[in-house]
Amino acid sequence: KNEVEQSPQNLTAQEGEFITINCSYSVGISALHWLQQHPGGGIVSLFMLSSGKKKHGRLIATINIQEKHSSLHITASHPRDSAVYICAVGETSGSRLTFGEGTQLTVNP
Amino acid sequence: SQTIHQWPATLVQPVGSPLSLECTVEGTSNPNLYWYRQAAGRGLQLLFYSVGIGQISSEVPQNLSASRPQDRQFILSSKKLLLSDSGFYLCAWSVQPTSADTQYFGPGTRLTVL
Repeated sequence: KNEVEQSPQNLTAQEGEFITINCSYSVGISALHWLQQHPGGGIVSLFMLSSGKKKHGRLIATINIQEKHSSLHITASHPRDSAVYICAVGETSGSRLTFGEGTQLTVNP
Repeated sequence: SQTIHQWPATLVQPVGSPLSLECTVEGTSNPNLYWYRQAAGRGLQLLFYSVGIGQISSEVPQNLSASRPQDRQFILSSKKLLLSDSGFYLCAWSVQPTSADTQYFGPGTRLTVL
């Protein structure tokens, strides 16, 4: 079993739909990261959070430390949101991030 | 502003040939530097990280090595490539040497070993 599990692996939505991507982890963490990987391969950091909720534009990330679970929500999805979304957890000691395998999101017009 | 560069963008190499991938960071000093590999259909895997010049930590034993000859330069090398070395290699940097800090990724190098 991977230390970081994402679901679903693939997600197809229609433009305007509300999207939820889930991430569960099994280790103690200092922070959880959500990343976006564009079709060309470039990766952008979306959020880093250790508790509660963060919002940036149409993106919302939440984390429940007790349940070891995080969600990434996209409101009013758009085709330009199509990308791979990656969850990564930072362990409580050291610099290491452990990554999930990613969720491929496709938003159709 | 800070920027991170990687080259080459794509590379096709025969099995047994050497490898050198370069990563440089501009606009910051004493960054923490990371090399990741993303194999096809797999998650990112940390290969090496460095907190300063000449300081390299290896996460996964393999035929790759890393060096940091200058503060903002990080090099990934191999003496003899294997087929299994194919993948997408990403360099990243952070301000703090901790997993609770944002990491900024370079554009990546797509390596195909034939």
